[in-house]
Amino acid sequence: GAGVSQTPSNKVTEKGKYVELRCDPISGHTALYWYRQSLGQGPEFLIYFQGTGAADDSGLPNDRFFAVRPEGSVSTLKIQRTERGDSAMYLCASSLRGGGAGTGELFFGEGSRLTVL
Amino acid sequence: RKEVEQDPGPFNVPEGATVAFNCTYSNSASQSFFWYRQDCRKEPKLLMSVYSSGNEDGRFTAQLNRASQYISLLIRDSKLSDSATYLCVVNIQYSGTYKYIFGTGTRLKVLA
Repeated sequence: GAGVSQTPSNKVTEKGKYVELRCDPISGHTALYWYRQSLGQGPEFLIYFQGTGAADDSGLPNDRFFAVRPEGSVSTLKIQRTERGDSAMYLCASSLRGGGAGTGELFFGEGSRLTVL
Repeated sequence: RKEVEQDPGPFNVPEGATVAFNCTYSNSASQSFFWYRQDCRKEPKLLMSVYSSGNEDGRFTAQLNRASQYISLLIRDSKLSDSATYLCVVNIQYSGTYKYIFGTGTRLKVLA
């Protein structure tokens, strides 16, 4: 497709389970971002990839959260031992290039809504 | 203190009104600035970039004040379709890497 694709669109899981959320960015976009958004809040930065490497993972809340982008395209956000507080919309965005002056537009996917019961 | 701060609103305005939102940022190393629009239960989408000299796109005007570290968005002749959340976004340099930081968003409701 032409846009950023995220799957699943909805995920309901039980406390303690493992979850994977997938993001397929726009073809050719080198920069990929994961955000988490709770109701009434703005997107909260989690991690930023430039190519295959995580350029900045300072937003990951704890070591239960991990993300990979092995071939510089598709990325997977992995959450271990989920907790009820992990419930949120997880948004992925891609950009033609990374940050810096004159930085490009972020294109978002429709998000993966995670509910932890 | 949050890196990017916005008044969450809501701002309820009648159709045709002019409304302005402000956003302040704390990191003087911020490189670039944007306004994104987010409709209910949808993903954010770029509304406009914000340039140092100020810029206009139809009914929308964005301004940047680097000295005071704030960004503004002015909407003239509000339409019902302008009802949404407006997110202030700052691209900040951290130790050689960059990331986009979002404000909480300001909710706008345009009333008939």
